[in-house]
Amino acid sequence: NAGVTQTPKFRVLKTGQSMTLLCAQDMNHEYMYWYRQDPGMGLRLIHYSVGEGTTAKGEVPDGYNVSRLKKQNFLLGLESAAPSQTSVYFCASSRYSGRTADTQYFGPGTRLTVL
Amino acid sequence: AQSVTQPDIHITVSEGASLELRCNYSYGATPYLFWYVQSPGQGLQLLLKYFSGDTLVQGIKGFEAEFKRSQSSFNLRKPSVHWSDAAEYFCAVGRSNDYKLSFGAGTTVTVRA
Repeated sequence: NAGVTQTPKFRVLKTGQSMTLLCAQDMNHEYMYWYRQDPGMGLRLIHYSVGEGTTAKGEVPDGYNVSRLKKQNFLLGLESAAPSQTSVYFCASSRYSGRTADTQYFGPGTRLTVL
Repeated sequence: AQSVTQPDIHITVSEGASLELRCNYSYGATPYLFWYVQSPGQGLQLLLKYFSGDTLVQGIKGFEAEFKRSQSSFNLRKPSVHWSDAAEYFCAVGRSNDYKLSFGAGTTVTVRA
């Protein structure tokens, strides 16, 4: 039982390049989330998904796209990377709980640097 | 909208001393409250949570937190800190009609020998 895994762990991009971050969970969780973590700002929600085939915008969605084609996977895409997207990205998942907050389980993070 | 404030950016504590981390939230109804810990280079791990019931909750690693509705607070405490408690701690708030959480900016704890 690996929990939440993220690929890759580190990445360096040049401005304008694109990439996809992969998140996978083996807990059969319904909900999945992508956050970015920047110094002094805590975690900010980028996008989230409440089920396979559904996605929604979070607090800071601009410049990112997501897809949830399979229940266990949640992909975060950067179409044209900018230096402002240099950050640590965390994926999280939580079980179905109706429209109620519940414990989120986090992956180890992806450290992205955009030059 | 809900917000979470962790007033202390950085706390330094001696090993063996007690630790208290503050968390205040703004939300009209009863919140769902969480404390997470992040060790350097790691993801976030749940320490404890409060949904309802007893306002003093026990968590892992000897941590506890107390929900005080009148003060809109959910402070985290540990009676005796170990060097391995050096980490960043995040308070998070959720609500009954939304599966999203709002996180505070975090408090970094340094433990000195």
